[in-house]
Amino acid sequence: SQKIEQNSEALNIQEGKTATLTCNYTNYSPAYLQWYRQDPGRGPVFLLLIRENEKEKRKERLKVTFDTTLKQSLFHITASQPADSATYLCAPDTGRRALTFGSGTRLQVQP
Amino acid sequence: NAGVTQTPKFQVLKTGQSMTLQCAQDMNHEYMSWYRQDPGMGLRLIHYSVGAGITDQGEVPNGYNVSRSTTEDFPLRLLSAAPSQTSVYFCASSPYGWNTEAFFGQGTRLTVV
Repeated sequence: SQKIEQNSEALNIQEGKTATLTCNYTNYSPAYLQWYRQDPGRGPVFLLLIRENEKEKRKERLKVTFDTTLKQSLFHITASQPADSATYLCAPDTGRRALTFGSGTRLQVQP
Repeated sequence: NAGVTQTPKFQVLKTGQSMTLQCAQDMNHEYMSWYRQDPGMGLRLIHYSVGAGITDQGEVPNGYNVSRSTTEDFPLRLLSAAPSQTSVYFCASSPYGWNTEAFFGQGTRLTVV
């Protein structure tokens, strides 16, 4: 069956460092993959979408990579700030007619 | 532009009661969906719709009904609430498929006692 895996343990990093979050998927080949940010008590907010023919995509301090051989996407936040603290969710395309999400990784940026 | 609006924000129900969670979007999006989010389990898909009059089940549909009579509205009905349905519910919409940005409402926190 299709699986989406994100590290369930929180990631703690120091302000100014680069945060790297991982999204692994198994038993299928998504045509695209989305990343969302979720703050406590709020709905997810779209960040980036990367397609299978794109190796990398950037938006300001954010960078997403998509390795179809490793079946993995990496999400990077450079020069991280305490305001980046949130839960980050990945949503690889599963071929269904609705988004399916990983369980998310909580990022905590310490000042 | 209001985006996706969910009501109510909070609700407490007694076991066996029924209620409807409301979701409305003003962006003329065709695709809408409902998720529930429980601690440590991420977002799980309940039902979704790809246009007015068309709905389908997600991964956890039992105990919930939906209808889509208009493009704007996608209500979620709890038929007979159970404590296992205590969760945070999110509604989402997308203009033309889920290979584009999805917009989420602020959520409804439901407690069933």
